[in-house]
Amino acid sequence: DAMVIQNPRYQVTQFGKPVTLSCSQTLNHNVMYWYQQKSSQAPKLLFHYYDKDFNNEADTPDNFQSRRPNTSFCFLDIRSPGLGDAAMYLCATSRDEERPTTDTQYFGPGTRLTVL
Amino acid sequence: GQQLNQSPQSMFIQEGEDVSMNCTSSSIFNTWLWYKQDPGEGPVLLIALYKAGELTSNGRLTAQFGITRKDSFLNISASIPSDVGIYFCAGPMEYGNKLVFGAGTILRVKS
Repeated sequence: DAMVIQNPRYQVTQFGKPVTLSCSQTLNHNVMYWYQQKSSQAPKLLFHYYDKDFNNEADTPDNFQSRRPNTSFCFLDIRSPGLGDAAMYLCATSRDEERPTTDTQYFGPGTRLTVL
Repeated sequence: GQQLNQSPQSMFIQEGEDVSMNCTSSSIFNTWLWYKQDPGEGPVLLIALYKAGELTSNGRLTAQFGITRKDSFLNISASIPSDVGIYFCAGPMEYGNKLVFGAGTILRVKS
């Protein structure tokens, strides 16, 4: 089945120790997103890639970076995790065609990040 | 900016009861999406609505795209314990590939 895969599902890191989360997709979608979600809140968009074009949200801290080496993979790098960065990180994809199809996003299962 | 007001915030219902939740906005949306999120998992798309007035079913779930394009509702009939989770409505921003999310409805079901 075509899907969005996130690894690892659970990640524990230490305060200040860099961490990388990964996302891959078999949907061949050209848009990929990274969201941060804290307990019982709606997902908050950090940034997204339209093909190789990187789009950062204005309020995303510099501590968060992303790489997309090819269509299928996208990485979230947290350079110096703080306690406040503990959250669920969600990857999503969409296919940019005519609206409205392009508006529909498909999410991965998420990576739960714990910062000690 | 575009915002979605989702209600109710939470519901605690008896198994077998029907459930209704809705999203409203002061802005027009051209697409309405309903997602369900189980604890510890990512949101799963339940129903996507693309036309004003559209009524779409997915098993026991039914969702409608309001004719004013400013609201949508989701109904769940004959609830079961596995319906527990957080339900989010979402709609696309006017420009760009981004979604606006409602705050979510937490559903709990008593057996």
